[in-house]
Parts: sequence; C-alpha cells; structure tokens
Amino acid sequence: EAQVTQNPRYLITVTGKKLTVTCSQNMNHEYMSWYRQDPGLGLRQIYYSMNVEVTDKGDVPEGYKVSRKEKRNFPLILESPSPNQTSLYFCASSLLWTGNQPQHFGDGTRLSIL
Amino acid sequence: DQQVKQNSPSLSVQEGRISILNCDYTNSMFDYFLWYKKYPAEGPTFLISISSIKDKNEDGRFTVFLNKSAKHLSLHIVPSQPGDSAVYFCAASAHNNAGNMLTFGGGTRLMVKP
Repeated sequence: EAQVTQNPRYLITVTGKKLTVTCSQNMNHEYMSWYRQDPGLGLRQIYYSMNVEVTDKGDVPEGYKVSRKEKRNFPLILESPSPNQTSLYFCASSLLWTGNQPQHFGDGTRLSIL
Repeated sequence: DQQVKQNSPSLSVQEGRISILNCDYTNSMFDYFLWYKKYPAEGPTFLISISSIKDKNEDGRFTVFLNKSAKHLSLHIVPSQPGDSAVYFCAASAHNNAGNMLTFGGGTRLMVKP
C-alpha cells in the first residue's frame, strides 16, 4: 500500500531534550516536506527536499533541522525543543518537486513540549 | 499575513443539500489550487485541484470554481453526505516555485447532519 509513515504518532517530552520524528515513503517520490498545523493557521511548511541531499527552508524553519540521505526517508530533528514547538506535524511527499503536484500526507505526529 | 484565507471556521449543512466552502487568496503568482480533506487523527488527503487556466473542475460530487479576478475559489459538494463531515483545507502554489511549496488556509470544519 502506497503510504507516508511517521513515527512516533504521539510524544510528550521536555524542553531541551533532542528528538527526531521519522518519515518514510514507499512511492519513490522525489519531493518530501514537513508541515506543522496550528489552530487557525492551517498547515505551514517547515522544510522541504526536492531530492536526495537537497533540502531547503520553508516558511517556519527556526528550531528545526532535516536531512535527506535516502530517497525514502526525511527525518525532522528538534535539537533543543521548546514549548512553542508543541504542535501537530505532518510529513508529505509528491512524485516531483514542481508546483502542480498533489502531496500525499502521513497521519501526523502530535508533539507536546513541556 | 496569511496569503490564503478561509473565513468560515465552520459550516453546518443538511444531508442532501449543497455545501459551499470558500477560499480567498492574495498572491497573484498562485496558479494552482487544491482542496484537501482531513478526518481526525489522519493526515490531509487530496480531494480536487484546479489550474489557473481553468475556471471550473469537476470530479463526481465535488466541483471547484476559480474566480481569478476576485482571487477567490470555492468547493461545492452536491449532494452532501454525513461522511463528508471533516475539515477542508484550501491550498495554493505557484508553478515557478521550485519548492512545490503549498500555502494553506486555516481550514473549514464541515458538519453534514443526517
């Protein structure tokens, strides 16, 4: 089954404790991205990757890191999480990086930073 | 400043009637528009899209209308069904945006009453 898989689905942690949210897709998509969803703001893009070893900042990259060493994986790293990063996070992928490709989303990771 | 806005946070409709969800945008560079549907505890799923060279796109019960001069698009669902109850996000992108960046609206929660 074609899918985008995120782990963990839920995480409660404390300020400053490094964490990684994994994302994997099995569709051989070139493009992957991370979004956060906050009430009333919709989804805002954090980082994206057009292909292996090619990453770039989205609208709200502060406090996050990403890497794309393999085509299928695109982990999101919070080196020193803070309470304002408490949010619902979504990973997405699309076949190509051009601006007319519907993106396929994972089921989300709810992070609570205390 | 939000470039894509959904001014109605919620909408309630009777089963069998038409649901109309609205979306406004400010960036004239946007030329591709999408609607996503989101159920609780799941990621957004792509519903329907429209290119700026068209003013209407239809897929079964779902029709999207685009009014470029007004920078406005709408999603019509006819007839509405209880299973359509979800949060609907409008999103926009520009074809010359190499990052395939989607700009999302804040979402509209649709409730279809049996």
